[in-house]
Amino acid sequence: SYELSQPPSVSVSPGQTASITCSGDKLGDKYACWYQQKPGQSPVLVIYQDSKRPSGIPERFSGSNSGNTATLTISGTQAMDEADYYCQAWGSSTVVFGGGTKLTVL
Amino acid sequence: EVQLVQSGAEVKKSGESLKISCKGSGYSFISYWIGWVRQMPGKGLECMGIIYPGDSDTRYSPSFQGQVTISADKSISTAYLQWSSLKASDTAMYYCARVSETTVVTRGAFDIWGQGTMVTVSS
Repeated sequence: SYELSQPPSVSVSPGQTASITCSGDKLGDKYACWYQQKPGQSPVLVIYQDSKRPSGIPERFSGSNSGNTATLTISGTQAMDEADYYCQAWGSSTVVFGGGTKLTVL
Repeated sequence: EVQLVQSGAEVKKSGESLKISCKGSGYSFISYWIGWVRQMPGKGLECMGIIYPGDSDTRYSPSFQGQVTISADKSISTAYLQWSSLKASDTAMYYCARVSETTVVTRGAFDIWGQGTMVTVSS
């Protein structure tokens, strides 16, 4: 079955750029999307179809996908961006999630 | 407002059956796939399967095939997740979520999420 890999944790200083990667076989041939989840809350879609932002998501969130890697980039990271982030793509029949990355803003 | 509202928290014993629900409103329920996502305590997201309420076409992730049943009643805009015999390892938060794409499902993402249903199973 299809698998996606993410680093368990990423740290960033406020105002700097955070990059979170997601790796999977020929992931660039699929659409990747990203979710943000804060403690005790439901996940929120922040990027879909590789690089599109849903309404209401700040412009500092961007995405790319090529080869075997999709990347979520947060420019000018703010304290409120501290959360778990999950990548997602479609396997042979259903959705597959990456293991998640805890973003720490310190 | 487009939303998915899930049934309340459940506390059950091992071996018992359970059916939890997810009611959609504010959109054409029959036109969008609905997925069920498990999140075990302190762990990541896992897609259990998806259903198309328009014709009840259902697809299960390999890990959950045969372990749960996903269904939908389009007349009341509600999707369901059920177990015939719960195990302690089923203790988790369960989310339903809507797939954003109505034509090619593999272009879609989960754009609307329910609030989650916590299921606790004691042995």
